[in-house]
Amino acid sequence: DGGITQSPKYLFRKEGQNVTLSCEQNLNHDAMYWYRQDPGQGLRLIYYSQIVNDFQKGDIAEGYSVSREKKESFPLTVTSAQKNPTAFYLCASSTGGRSDEQYFGPGTRLTVT
Amino acid sequence: DAKTTQPTSMDCAEGRAANLPCNHSTISGNEYVYWYRQIHSQGPQYIIHGLKNNETNEMASLIITEDRKSSTLILPHATLRDTAVYYCIVRTINAGNMLTFGGGTRLMVKP
Repeated sequence: DGGITQSPKYLFRKEGQNVTLSCEQNLNHDAMYWYRQDPGQGLRLIYYSQIVNDFQKGDIAEGYSVSREKKESFPLTVTSAQKNPTAFYLCASSTGGRSDEQYFGPGTRLTVT
Repeated sequence: DAKTTQPTSMDCAEGRAANLPCNHSTISGNEYVYWYRQIHSQGPQYIIHGLKNNETNEMASLIITEDRKSSTLILPHATLRDTAVYYCIVRTINAGNMLTFGGGTRLMVKP
C-alpha cells in the first residue's frame, strides 16, 4: 500500500544523545516535511525538502538536522543542542504542486530524560 | 502570511451537521484555504481545500465567503469518529507549499 511510514512509534533517549527519526514514503512525492507538535499545540515546521539533495529550514530548525539523499527518505536527527526535544514528531510529503495536499505519517513520540 | 482565527472548541450532536468557522481576513488573492483534522495522537488528515469557489468532497463541504475573509467547513452528518481537532490553514506561497498550523478547533461529537 502507498503511504508514509515513521518508525519507531515511541522512542526514548537520554539527554545529550543524538537521535535519528525515520521517515519513508512510497508515494513518489517530491516534497517532504518535518513538523513538531507539543501537547495541546498546533504543528510547527522544522525542515522541508522540495527535491532530492536540497532542504530548507522551517520555523524551528535550531537543534535539528536533516538529509535528503533519496526521494523516498527524509530522516530527522534531533541533536543534543535541541533544548526541549521531547515532543511528537510528524513527517509529511506532497507532490510539491501549487495546491496539493500533504499526507502525514503516524508520528514518532520522542521522550528525552 | 495570512493568519487564521478559529474557535477553541465546539460541540455537535451525532447525526447533525457540524459547521466549523474560520476567519482569515488578511488572506492574499492567490492563497488557498485548507482544512485538516487530527485525531488524538495521530498524524493530521487532509479534508478539503479551496481558492474562491465552494468545494465538496466525500468528507465535507467548504464554503468560502465572496470576499474570502472567512470560510466554513461543514461535516453534513457528524459521527463520533469525527471528534478531532480541525485546523484551518492558509497556504504560504513564499516558500514552497508549507502549511502553517494554528491552534485549531476541538470538535466534540456527542451521542
